[in-house]
Amino acid sequence: EAQVTQNPRYLITVTGKKLTVTCSQNMNHEYMSWYRQDPGLGLRQIYYSMNVEVTDKGDVPEGYKVSRKEKRNFPLILESPSPNQTSLYFCASSRTVGDTQYFGPGTRLTVL
Amino acid sequence: EDQVTQSPEALRLQEGESSSLNCSYTVSGLRGLFWYRQDPGKGPEFLFTLYSAGEEKEKERLKATLTKKESFLHITAPKPEDSATYLCAVRGGSYIPTFGRGTSLIVHP
Repeated sequence: EAQVTQNPRYLITVTGKKLTVTCSQNMNHEYMSWYRQDPGLGLRQIYYSMNVEVTDKGDVPEGYKVSRKEKRNFPLILESPSPNQTSLYFCASSRTVGDTQYFGPGTRLTVL
Repeated sequence: EDQVTQSPEALRLQEGESSSLNCSYTVSGLRGLFWYRQDPGKGPEFLFTLYSAGEEKEKERLKATLTKKESFLHITAPKPEDSATYLCAVRGGSYIPTFGRGTSLIVHP
């Protein structure tokens, strides 16, 4: 089954404790991206990757890091999380940039 | 800067009561307008992509249309299972898509 998976689905952590949210897709897609979704603000792109070893900032990259060492994986790293990063996070992938994006199930992160 | 405005923010319909959702946009060089459906606690699910004014696409009770300034998602004879938030997004010259805030649709039996 073609899908985008994220782990963990739910995470409660404390300020400053480094965390990683994993994202994996099995569709051989070149393009992957991370979004956060907040009430009243909609979906905002954090980072995207055009292909392996090619990443770039989206609209709200501050406080986040990503890497793309393999085509299927695109982890999101929060090295020192803060309460304003409490949000619902989605990973997405598409065949190429501009193509239809397929979203993962989401990760609900709470930073205390 | 690309902008997307969706209206209404919320819509309540009776089962069978047809209506339309609006997505107004400003973008430099439209390279695609996307409609997604999002159920509570889940990721957005792709519905349609439209590329040029005059284009229309249909899927079951949904029909999406596109003009140079807006897109409509028409829902014909909706059922309770059509209840969801509908998101519109545009992609222009940059690689970063811009999403609207969505329309929350509730269909009462």
